[in-house]
Amino acid sequence: AQSVTQPDIHITVSEGASLELRCNYSYGATPYLFWYVQSPGQGLQLLLKYFSGDTLVQGIKGFEAEFKRSQSSFNLRKPSVHWSDAAEYFCAVGTDSSYKLIFGSGTRLLVRP
Amino acid sequence: DTGVSQNPRHKITKRGQNVTFRCDPISEHNRLYWYRQTLGQGPEFLTYFQNEAQLEKSRLLSDRFSAERPKGSFSTLEIQRTEQGDSAMYLCASSSAQGTQETQYFGPGTRLLVL
Repeated sequence: AQSVTQPDIHITVSEGASLELRCNYSYGATPYLFWYVQSPGQGLQLLLKYFSGDTLVQGIKGFEAEFKRSQSSFNLRKPSVHWSDAAEYFCAVGTDSSYKLIFGSGTRLLVRP
Repeated sequence: DTGVSQNPRHKITKRGQNVTFRCDPISEHNRLYWYRQTLGQGPEFLTYFQNEAQLEKSRLLSDRFSAERPKGSFSTLEIQRTEQGDSAMYLCASSSAQGTQETQYFGPGTRLLVL
């Protein structure tokens, strides 16, 4: 069965510092990978997605993610974090066999002024 | 594109009561999904529709839950005889069918509290 692991429950970074959020997936074939962001009490906003092709994908708000098949990872990065980036971030995987998304348990990002 | 909308945004009910939530997808999207998110967890898939047909249901969707999408437009999710364990955020998403390489766009959710 497919699964997604986000090893870090909380991450705190200083404003202006770089950020990397980890995501590992379990799936036998090529997955479809997504990062969503959720502000408190809100729905999920898509940051970026990977279906195929270039393994480094660019998203909104200056985020990027890299698909590494050998490590079964799809880590999210941002070179300089802004206070408005404080939110919860979810990695998700989709597959060829089902239309549903499987989500990780999320990483809460706190930004120090 | 006005996005996915959900109503109500918040619902407080007493245990044993029935509740119904509505989701209006992005207008040209023919797939519609329901997910449930409990505190501190990621969303979990409940069910999905392609047009008016309900094509997949999770084992999380007990007999007390029913979802409909008449005419392939808006959808409703009803929970009968609510239990305290039903307290969660219920999220709706929609997508435009492109095989399985599709992007789901989420609504703001309905937060349910069962007392």
